[in-house]
Amino acid sequence: GIQVEQSPPDLILQEGANSTLRCNFSDSVNNLQWFHQNPWGQLINLFYIPSGTKQNGRLSATTVATERYSLLYISSSQTTDSGVYFCAVARRETSGSRLTFGEGTQLTVNP
Amino acid sequence: DTGVSQNPRHKITKRGQNVTFRCDPISEHNRLYWYRQTLGQGPEFLTYFQNEAQLEKSRLLSDRFSAERPKGSFSTLEIQRTEQGDSAMYLCASSSGAYVGPQHFGDGTRLSIL
Repeated sequence: GIQVEQSPPDLILQEGANSTLRCNFSDSVNNLQWFHQNPWGQLINLFYIPSGTKQNGRLSATTVATERYSLLYISSSQTTDSGVYFCAVARRETSGSRLTFGEGTQLTVNP
Repeated sequence: DTGVSQNPRHKITKRGQNVTFRCDPISEHNRLYWYRQTLGQGPEFLTYFQNEAQLEKSRLLSDRFSAERPKGSFSTLEIQRTEQGDSAMYLCASSSGAYVGPQHFGDGTRLSIL
């Protein structure tokens, strides 16, 4: 199956710092999503971004499908940004489009 | 759009008991997915429905697991004869089948086996 690698596995920041999270994937995809999982376990949709660039407030994401990677940018980080960030992809296939998740980046933002 | 709803949020049960979880997808989403997440890992795919038809099952879904989606609306996931290894967060997601689009996740059911 498709492989998804996220880096770094852990990241500790001071409030106000910027960061970049990376997601590499091993095959062509027709879906790529970034999620934030909060301490209560809720998976929050950040971006649906199989290609191109999107921005939402302090967060932005870029996917370069031809090179099989995606980047999530967090600017001016806040303590509420803490949690685990997952990248998930779905292969181009005829049915299902089930998501394969990476192992996540654990982000800690200190005040 | 009221989002994906899962019940219960938490379930604690003794080993060997049966449990059933429910998922109500976003209305008019015809695709429904179940995933399982263990501590420190990303969610893993279990099974997928298009309307009422169960079209794909992961090898993670042992014979003790069964999922249904009668009438193509809500779905249930039942685990029979629970084991310690079944302790996990069970997540449900739905998406529209009209095009390849994002999956929307519920808040999950956290299962603890004593």
